[in-house]
Amino acid sequence: AQSVTQLGSHVSVSEGALVLLRCNYSSSVPPYLFWYVQYPNQGLQLLLKYTTGATLVKGINGFEAEFKKSETSFHLTKPSAHMSDAAEYFCAVGGNQFYFGTGTSLTVIP
Amino acid sequence: DTGVSQDPRHKITKRGQNVTFRCDPISEHNRLYWYRQTLGQGPEFLTYFQNEAQLEKSRLLSDRFSAERPKGSFSTLEIQRTEQGDSAMYLCASSLGWIRAQVSGYTFGSGTRLTVV
Repeated sequence: AQSVTQLGSHVSVSEGALVLLRCNYSSSVPPYLFWYVQYPNQGLQLLLKYTTGATLVKGINGFEAEFKKSETSFHLTKPSAHMSDAAEYFCAVGGNQFYFGTGTSLTVIP
Repeated sequence: DTGVSQDPRHKITKRGQNVTFRCDPISEHNRLYWYRQTLGQGPEFLTYFQNEAQLEKSRLLSDRFSAERPKGSFSTLEIQRTEQGDSAMYLCASSLGWIRAQVSGYTFGSGTRLTVV
């Protein structure tokens, strides 16, 4: 069975500070991994994805994530937080259907 | 490409009433997925279609929930005899096949927010 666990349901950072959102996965096969962002009362928007190949993947809005097989992790980072980054972030693992984590709410403090 | 459309955006209903939501996927996408999202939680998979075939429905929450995609284009999700616990955001997503889903992810609609009073 495939699943993801997001550590930390709420993360607060100051504007300009590093953003680190944690995701660990469980998969019996090489995983396809995704990060999505959700703004209030909206659907989910794809930030970035890992399929195969390069373990450091870059996405939209300056976000990136690194696939670490040895740690079964796929943490999301951004070097410098912006106010517009405040949103809910979801990690997901692919397959016949995607399974999502419980989400991390990011607050950016001015 | 007009994206995934869901209708209505908001629905308020009385307990015990039936409700139906509609999802129009991206036109060339043959796979369509329904998820439920409750407050503070991640999307929870309900069911999916490949064309008109419903390939997985064991995750539908109860026999009060049903979904159709009769012509392999739009889909409807019906909840019969609604309960207050059904209050949630219902999300629809689509993809062009299994491989493209893994490579490109799903495209989500904006969701239908259901409130049962």
